[in-house]
Formats: sequence, C-alpha cells, structure tokens
Amino acid sequence: NAGVTQTPKFQVLKTGQSMTLQCAQDMNHNSMYWYRQDPGMGLRLIYYSASEGTTDKGEVPNGYNVSRLNKREFSLRLESAAPSQTSVYFCASSAGRISNQPQHFGDGTRLSIL
Amino acid sequence: GDSVTQMEGPVTLSEEAFLTINCTYTATGYPSLFWYVQYPGEGLQLLLKATKADDKGSNKGFEATYRKETTSFHLEKGSVQVSDSAVYFCALTSNFGNEKLTFGTGTRLTIIP
Repeated sequence: NAGVTQTPKFQVLKTGQSMTLQCAQDMNHNSMYWYRQDPGMGLRLIYYSASEGTTDKGEVPNGYNVSRLNKREFSLRLESAAPSQTSVYFCASSAGRISNQPQHFGDGTRLSIL
Repeated sequence: GDSVTQMEGPVTLSEEAFLTINCTYTATGYPSLFWYVQYPGEGLQLLLKATKADDKGSNKGFEATYRKETTSFHLEKGSVQVSDSAVYFCALTSNFGNEKLTFGTGTRLTIIP
C-alpha cells in the first residue's frame, strides 16, 4: 500500500552541490509530476511526464532536470544547487490524460541549500 | 492563464464550529475542481472533487459545490473537529487535454478544543 514514495525525506546541501531526488509509484500510473511548495505560494509545477519517455516543463523549470526512467520512476536533479531552491519538493502521479483523475502525492522531500 | 484564489489564513475555530473556506477560480473552458488537504509532515491527499457545474463533492463531512456562475468552489463543514487541523488547497485542472493542477496558496486551519 505504498502509493508514491520519495527519497530522501530530508537533505541539506551547500550551494553548487548537485543531487537527485527520487520518486517511485506502484499504482501503474501513466503521469508523474514534480512540484515545489514554498510558504504563501502553494504548489508550483516544476516538470511533468505524461508517459514513459516524455517530459515537459511546468511553471518553474529553471535549475532542474528530470528523467522518466521507466513507468514507475521519475527523478528530479539539481545540477548546481542555489539557496533559492530551498523548498519542500513533492512528487505526484495520476492515471493519465483525463482531467478529472486525481493526483496522488508522496510525503515530500525537505531540501535546504546553505 | 488558469488561476485559483483562496481565502487567506490562518483560520482558527473552536471545535464544533461551522467552517467555510472560500475558493474562486479563473479558467478557460470547463475545469475540474478539487480540494486537497495536507496534514503536518505529510503530502497532499485528495479530499473531494467536482467535474462539472452544480456537482457537489463530499467526503468526511466536508462539502463543496461547483458554481460556474460565480466561478467558486467553497469548502464547508458543519461541525469541525480538532483532527481537521491541516492546510487546505483548492485546485483545478483544465479540460484541454492535459491534467496539470493549478493550486491556490493554501489555507491553514487550526481547531481549538
């Protein structure tokens, strides 16, 4: 009954370091998403993947890259971390390109960039 | 573009009080509307949804009605409990062939015993 699993749960980085946030879902969903959550701004979409092998930019893609490794996994990479990327990152998945299908969220990764 | 405007928080209520959290939206076409809830330290969970005008979504005593004429989707509960303390997000998806969610900024609700 795992749903969407994110690793790690917490991470502290120094400016300029790189890291990859991992996300996996076990619901056989086609679509996966990465969001960041900042105080007073709700959730903003970074990248999404409508199907295995495809990715598209969301609202705030700068400074990030993604990989849809297979149907289950969707990773988010920070190549050179900046303090402005301090945030809580959420991965989500949904069944597909039908607008009333809900998204299922992981528990988040709390990332601090010093 | 699409946008969602939520009632600013935080909101503090006593147990058993009536709750309303306002949500209005701007979207082209006929979006689907959602309320998500986030408990401390957790991800977002779908609370309820409505996919067309005049639909009422309901779950766990919460209700919201899709009002196209006022572009609103206000969340209500008749008698709140301490366990309802959380952050509530209103959101929409466009019906133009993709399922990207547009979120409001969230409303933090605290219920006092």
